[in-house]
Order: sequence, then C-alpha cells, then structure tokens
Amino acid sequence: EDQVTQSPEALRLQEGESSSLNCSYTVSGLRGLFWYRQDPGKGPEFLFTLYSAGEEKEKERLKATLTKKESFLHITAPKPEDSATYLCAPYSSASKIIFGSGTRLSIRP
Amino acid sequence: DADVTQTPRNRITKTGKRIMLECSQTKGHDRMYWYRQDPGLGLRLIYYSFDVKDINKGEISDGYSVSRQAQAKFSLSLESAIPNQTALYFCATSDSRQGIDEQFFGPGTRLTVL
Repeated sequence: EDQVTQSPEALRLQEGESSSLNCSYTVSGLRGLFWYRQDPGKGPEFLFTLYSAGEEKEKERLKATLTKKESFLHITAPKPEDSATYLCAPYSSASKIIFGSGTRLSIRP
Repeated sequence: DADVTQTPRNRITKTGKRIMLECSQTKGHDRMYWYRQDPGLGLRLIYYSFDVKDINKGEISDGYSVSRQAQAKFSLSLESAIPNQTALYFCATSDSRQGIDEQFFGPGTRLTVL
C-alpha cells in the first residue's frame, strides 16, 4: 500500500535558524514528488516537482531534495513569512498523488 | 483574477440538506479534482475527472456525487449532509499534457453541517 509520512508534525524555529523537514514514502512506480505550501484557510500552493533521486530544486530560502525513499525540504535562514504548513505529495505511475499530512512550520521573529 | 475559483467560500447548513459546491477554472486544464481536508488527516480525494466524460471515485466518495458540466466546471454535491462532512473542501486542476501533472488548487470552501 502506498504511504507517505511527514515529520515532524510541527516545528518552531527562531528567525534565521535553519532546519529540514522530512517526507518518507513508499510508493509503487514513483514518477515524481511534489512539495506544496499551505497557509491557514487557503489552498495549497505549488512549490516544486522532483523527478528522480539525486535531484535538487531551490526557491528563495527553500531547497528540496529527493532520494529513493525520502525527500527533504531544507529551509535556510527562515523568515516569519515562511510560516506555513508544508505538504509533500508523491506521484505514482497510476497518475495518483498521495498527500502527506504536512509539517506545520512556525518562525518566531 | 484567480485561475481556480470556488463558490461558496463559506457555507453553514443543517443535517439532511442537499448542498452543491462549485468549481470553475480558466487554466484550460483537462483534469479536475475534489478533496476534503480535516485537521490531522491531510487532503483526501473524493472524486476526480480526467475529461468531461470521465468521472472516477476517490478514496472517500460515499455521501458525495459530482458533475462535470464542461471542461472548466466541476461541481460537488452532498445529497443529504451530515455533521461529519464538516470540513474544508478544495477543488484542484491539472494538465495531462505535462506528463507529471502538478495540481493547482482553489481557495477552498469551508463547510459546516449542524
């Protein structure tokens, strides 16, 4: 059965304190993995697509990486506006997306 | 203007009432989806449609129905609402021509069933 687990569930950081979010997955026929950002009460906003192990993508203070079993979202020197829930979503060969339950990130000024 | 719009944005209804949530998109995408989101459970797929004549059940379709009126419109109905259908509902679209088609989400509808 396809599964995805994100950890930690919640993370509180001081502004400027770098860290990483984890996404572990078991998916048959992985074709890619998405990362989304979701602000409270709003729809998820697309961030990245990773297609194969070893690939990296960057956007401002965010960098996403992919291995055969995990993906990481690294946040470098975060700012309060980076506070949000971050969702990972593996995409299988059956054209299905499986969303993780997310990591709720809070950045204190 | 937003590419994916949902109406209404908020709705309070009573148990047993029929309710329809509507989704429209201007992105020209062929695929559309309905999800619900509950605290701690993440996004769960209710129904999806890969084109106007194609409707498929997701993992939690019981108690829901959908209609794809046009490529740009996808409606979700709750035939007889019950309190455990209280949730945040999202519509999403994707473009199958992209190969690995990332989904783009609407702003959501907050539904409360009393």
